Amino acid sequence: NAGVTQTPKFRILKIGQSMTLQCTQDMNHNYMYWYRQDPGMGLKLIYYSVGAGITDKGEVLNGYNVSRSTTEDFPLRLELAAPSQTSVYFCASSYPPAGSFRLSAEKLFFGSGTQLSVL
Amino acid sequence: DQQVKQNSPSLSVQEGRISILNCDYTNSMFDYFLWYKKYPAEGPTFLISISSIKDKNEDGRFTVFLNKSAKHLSLHIVPSQPGDSAVYFCAAGGNDMRFGAGTRLTVKP
Repeated sequence: NAGVTQTPKFRILKIGQSMTLQCTQDMNHNYMYWYRQDPGMGLKLIYYSVGAGITDKGEVLNGYNVSRSTTEDFPLRLELAAPSQTSVYFCASSYPPAGSFRLSAEKLFFGSGTQLSVL
Repeated sequence: DQQVKQNSPSLSVQEGRISILNCDYTNSMFDYFLWYKKYPAEGPTFLISISSIKDKNEDGRFTVFLNKSAKHLSLHIVPSQPGDSAVYFCAAGGNDMRFGAGTRLTVKP
């Protein structure tokens, strides 16, 4: 059981380049998330999805896009990379939280992260 | 705005002693709290959680305490083991989830 798999593990981009961070999970989780972690800071939510075809923004507003065509996959697209996007990116998934919809699920299952540098 | 703060970037303890990791939050709407553990080159993994209706939750060597009036939670690890050396993140959930910056725990043999 692989859990949440992210690729690539490391990437260096030049300013203005674009790339897609891949994320796939095999736990049949409805909810998926993308976070970034900057040095000395907590994880910040970029985008989340509550199911195939449904996505919404988190607290990081600009510079990213996502799609969710299947339950398993949740790729994150960076267009026109900027140095401010240098960070470690984590994909995560979860079961739906009990009760009414909330982003604060019981627990998240994380991938191993992608270290991205934009130079 | 950092709604969840872990004010100690690092903590070092001797094997067999207690490790206490602290976390403070500002938003009184948070009603669910979690601790995650992260080893280098891995993603965070869930460790233990607590609902705001409780003030304590135990799981083996790990206990989380919640003081709602002080908006403070702590993770106790007893006894600490070298394999516990990792970065520990607290997270608080309400309408969304906010994470602290983490505390690096080193347990010395």
